[in-house]
Amino acid sequence: KQEVTQIPAALSVPEGENLVLNCSFTDSAIYNLQWFRQDPGKGLTSLLLIQSSQREQTSGRLNASLDKSSGRSTLYIAASQPGDSATYLCACRFTSGTYKYIFGTGTRLKVLA
Amino acid sequence: NAGVTQTPKFQVLKTGQSMTLQCAQDMNHNSMYWYRQDPGMGLRLIYYSASEGTTDKGEVPNGYNVSRLNKREFSLRLESAAPSQTSVYFCASSVDGDYGYTFGSGTRLTVV
Repeated sequence: KQEVTQIPAALSVPEGENLVLNCSFTDSAIYNLQWFRQDPGKGLTSLLLIQSSQREQTSGRLNASLDKSSGRSTLYIAASQPGDSATYLCACRFTSGTYKYIFGTGTRLKVLA
Repeated sequence: NAGVTQTPKFQVLKTGQSMTLQCAQDMNHNSMYWYRQDPGMGLRLIYYSASEGTTDKGEVPNGYNVSRLNKREFSLRLESAAPSQTSVYFCASSVDGDYGYTFGSGTRLTVV
């Protein structure tokens, strides 16, 4: 079964710290992977999309990497700010299977001022 | 503001009642989706529509029906609501499968 796992479920860090969020997936045959941000009571916002042929994508203070062979992706946030506090979800689109994205359950990040 | 609009934002239903969740996007996206989000389960795809006139089942379609009314609108219908359908429902759209994924703000549904 294709699964996406995010550990830890919650994380608190002091402002200014660099941090890494982890995502693992059970099937290395992925088409692409997206990282989303979800604020409380809101929908999801797409942050970064990595195609299977890419190793990483960058947007501002965010950098996402993809290692298909190990079934892992990381989201690196540089110089974290209180405004980064949110839940971060990764989602994989696998090359096989009927459905579109399989979502992880997310990591709830709190950046302390 | 451009984006995905969902109505209603909150709804309480009695078991057995029916209702339709509405979704509209104004970004000229081809693909639209309905997800449900439950604690500890992540988002699960209910139905999707790759283009106007087509719909397909997702991971958890039982108890739901959908209609892609036109390119802008994609509705989700619960014919006979059950407590297991208590959830937060999100509509999303995308340009071409994966790019430009945009979510609505969600509908919090409680079935009692």
